[in-house]
Amino acid sequence: EAGVVQSPRYKIIEKKQPVAFWCNPISGHNTLYWYLQNLGQGPELLIRYENEEAVDDSQLPKDRFSAERLKGVDSTLKIQPAELGDSAVYLCASSLGMRTGTGELFFGEGSRLTVL
Amino acid sequence: KQEVTQIPAALSVPEGENLVLNCSFTDSAIYNLQWFRQDPGKGLTSLLLIQSSQREQTSGRLNASLDKSSGRSTLYIAASQPGDSATYLCAVSHQGAQKLVFGQGTRLTINP
Repeated sequence: EAGVVQSPRYKIIEKKQPVAFWCNPISGHNTLYWYLQNLGQGPELLIRYENEEAVDDSQLPKDRFSAERLKGVDSTLKIQPAELGDSAVYLCASSLGMRTGTGELFFGEGSRLTVL
Repeated sequence: KQEVTQIPAALSVPEGENLVLNCSFTDSAIYNLQWFRQDPGKGLTSLLLIQSSQREQTSGRLNASLDKSSGRSTLYIAASQPGDSATYLCAVSHQGAQKLVFGQGTRLTINP
């Protein structure tokens, strides 16, 4: 069974440019998460989806970050415009959720962003 | 607000030793606790999941325990190997708030 797939793995852009990350969760997982991980830190939640609905986006900087999960499967996270401080790893995770599963999260390999 | 702390931040031990990694959390009303492994430049790999009603979980040389009342979990690694070198992260979730709150991790180095 395929795991969580993310692309691109690496992205280098100049500040003020836009960037987008894509995530395809494990088949059947209705809950999808985007996490941000700074160097030497644990991941922090940006947004959580239940199917196509964003149910927790309180930590998403909405002035420059946006996300969508239009059909309740794959998801895109966008930053526009990027700032130097956005350099980090963007992790996508999925789970069956607590109602139908144990709530165990499975992560992708991450997308490492460098803003110059 | 839930806070998760992992001590020590880094640990270096010789190969073959048994070792314990610690995780503490401030709010004991958790739904589950999950231990992850992260290799440099990679994503997180789930190692063990402990539900709030459980006391421990085992997988191979790994054993994780949970004491909700004291807000603590430990990850025990038996007979450590160089391939165990990685960063180990613990995370907790709450019922109704289906997100994980992570500690900062313990960077483990096993020396041959």
